[in-house]
Amino acid sequence: RKEVEQDPGPFNVPEGATVAFNCTYSNSASQSFFWYRQDCRKEPKLLMSVYSSGNEDGRFTAQLNRASQYISLLSRDSKLSDSATYLCVVNVRDSSYKLIFGSGTRLLVRP
Amino acid sequence: SQTIHQWPATLVQPVGSPLSLECTVEGTSNPNLYWYRQAAGRGLQLLFYSVGIGQISSEVPQNLSASRPQDRQFILSSKKLLLSDSGFYLCAWSALAGTSGSREFFGPGTRLTVL
Repeated sequence: RKEVEQDPGPFNVPEGATVAFNCTYSNSASQSFFWYRQDCRKEPKLLMSVYSSGNEDGRFTAQLNRASQYISLLSRDSKLSDSATYLCVVNVRDSSYKLIFGSGTRLLVRP
Repeated sequence: SQTIHQWPATLVQPVGSPLSLECTVEGTSNPNLYWYRQAAGRGLQLLFYSVGIGQISSEVPQNLSASRPQDRQFILSSKKLLLSDSGFYLCAWSALAGTSGSREFFGPGTRLTVL
């Protein structure tokens, strides 16, 4: 089982749609959580951190459910420029110093 | 502000040739440094990470190696490239050296094609 699992997509949605990205992680000791965005043939860029109480950044809302080991990202009013791959990322509370990346969910926003 | 540089941006190499990719970070001290590879249409695979000069941890067995000769320099090398080494190589750094969980920032990447 992968440590971080995501639906690979692609999600094909019209402009203005609301999109939900979901992610599950396997290690209950996971401590920090992030969403990254990766455009085609570019490096991943941090979209937002995910906090236990949930947090919002513009059109994006992130939620964390530690009991279910589940992370979500909600994107409202989708723009053409939102087309990208969205990566779920977790860190485990151990002696290593690395983040674990999901394989990503691809989003295509059409006119 | 912090910036991370990688070069070259693209590289085409024959099978069996050596490889050296360089990554440097500016504007921060004692960062954690990482090398990732992303095959076409695939997720990120962590290859190496370093928490300090001369300290390298390898995540997967392969014909690649990494070195950190200076605090803000991270080098990925191979003596003999394989076809399977083709991919998008990304260097990343995170703050709070020696601690886990800090978010990572990526360089622009090197696209390597082995023929």
